[in-house]
Amino acid sequence: GESVGLHLPTLSVQEGDNSIINCAYSNSASDYFIWYKQESGKGPQFIIDIRSNMDKRQGQRVTVLLNKTVKHLSLQIAATQPGDSAVYFCAENIIGTASKLTFGTGTRLQVTL
Amino acid sequence: DVKVTQSSRYLVKRTGEKVFLECVQDMDHENMFWYRQDPGLGLRLIYFSYDVKMKEKGDIPEGYSVSREKKERFSLILESASTNQTSMYLCASSPGGFGIQYFGAGTRLSVL
Repeated sequence: GESVGLHLPTLSVQEGDNSIINCAYSNSASDYFIWYKQESGKGPQFIIDIRSNMDKRQGQRVTVLLNKTVKHLSLQIAATQPGDSAVYFCAENIIGTASKLTFGTGTRLQVTL
Repeated sequence: DVKVTQSSRYLVKRTGEKVFLECVQDMDHENMFWYRQDPGLGLRLIYFSYDVKMKEKGDIPEGYSVSREKKERFSLILESASTNQTSMYLCASSPGGFGIQYFGAGTRLSVL
């Protein structure tokens, strides 16, 4: 079946720099997307979401960009901090599947000092 | 804040044992989910439930069953645990319709 994937399994950035985590999705019927953060030993934590009728949404230090033309989603983290070190997942909701989400395999973000 | 509580953080069981993983949410959410998480495979949906006594198979239901007798509680049952069920198990809940799923801290199960 179709699935959500990620371009980079590990991303290393310096503290203070901006981070960009990418996600490719293959199902054009997806209408809702979520980014999660998972720290070691913890469950995934909601960061930000976006609906398919939007192309950008901003939160606190985070921005999600959606490009439906190329089926691409990205998470931008401004001024990356050591506490941002975690695995980041994108997830998609496909129209007609009610509340089910399909998750990508994750990208590990490592913040160096 | 939404709270999803999984009864155990770590469990060690023997092959063939019957295993119960419990999950409770305090936000009156209609939907509840059980996932397993394995390195390189991401989160895979085992079962989910839209309402009390309702259940639907996810992507990998074999070897598992579930029970939802009360709205706030969703149990995952391994009828006869096997070593290939060693994994991290995550419970989540969400409001009706579609939306954000809120996760518990996970249960790391080892089957020996």
